[in-house]
Amino acid sequence: AQKITQTQPGMFVQEKEAVTLDCTYDTSDPSYGLFWYKQPSSGEMIFLIYQGSYDQQNATEGRYSLNFQKARKSANLVISASQLGDSAMYFCAMREPQTYYGNNRLAFGKGNQVVVIP
Amino acid sequence: DSGVTQTPKHLITATGQRVTLRCSPRSGDLSVYWYQQSLDQGLQFLIQYYNGEERAKGNILERFSAQQFPDLHSELNLSSLELGDSALYFCASSAGAAANYGYTFGSGTRLTVV
Repeated sequence: AQKITQTQPGMFVQEKEAVTLDCTYDTSDPSYGLFWYKQPSSGEMIFLIYQGSYDQQNATEGRYSLNFQKARKSANLVISASQLGDSAMYFCAMREPQTYYGNNRLAFGKGNQVVVIP
Repeated sequence: DSGVTQTPKHLITATGQRVTLRCSPRSGDLSVYWYQQSLDQGLQFLIQYYNGEERAKGNILERFSAQQFPDLHSELNLSSLELGDSALYFCASSAGAAANYGYTFGSGTRLTVV
């Protein structure tokens, strides 16, 4: 079974600084996708960034970038220039192997809590 | 607004009761997924429907059931509720099976069983 590990304790980050959130995964499938989601205190889940296992370049989306190290099975999220609105829980997730068309479910890690302080 | 609509947003009910959570996927999305988020278990996949058919089952209890209707909206039925069923229930939708089809989540239904 696939597994996502996020082990960092809650983090306090100074506004405008960068923060790196660790995520390691375990899969024997050569084709997989990695996602990061943000969950603010209001509860909604917000998609941030995606990395495919065959992608040659690290994914970037605005202030978010994904440090993808395939051999180490890690997919760390980097948030540059933190803002107060970045305070949230961040979840790493992996798309499970597609055994048939339409099966696209995700397995989530436990999450990293980030608090941005002014 | 993500385009995925979940109702109701909050639900308080007593043990032993039955509730129905509703989800309307984003326009054009054929897959609907249900997740349960609790403090101790984290985000747990419950079940997926694709174009009206059940496609994958996760850690869904026998007391829980779901279906997807011809208009693609989905309902999650929770019966014989227990205190431990209190959680945030998310519905998500996706267009299909391509690798970078992420989910679009609804805002969730917070269920409190008292």
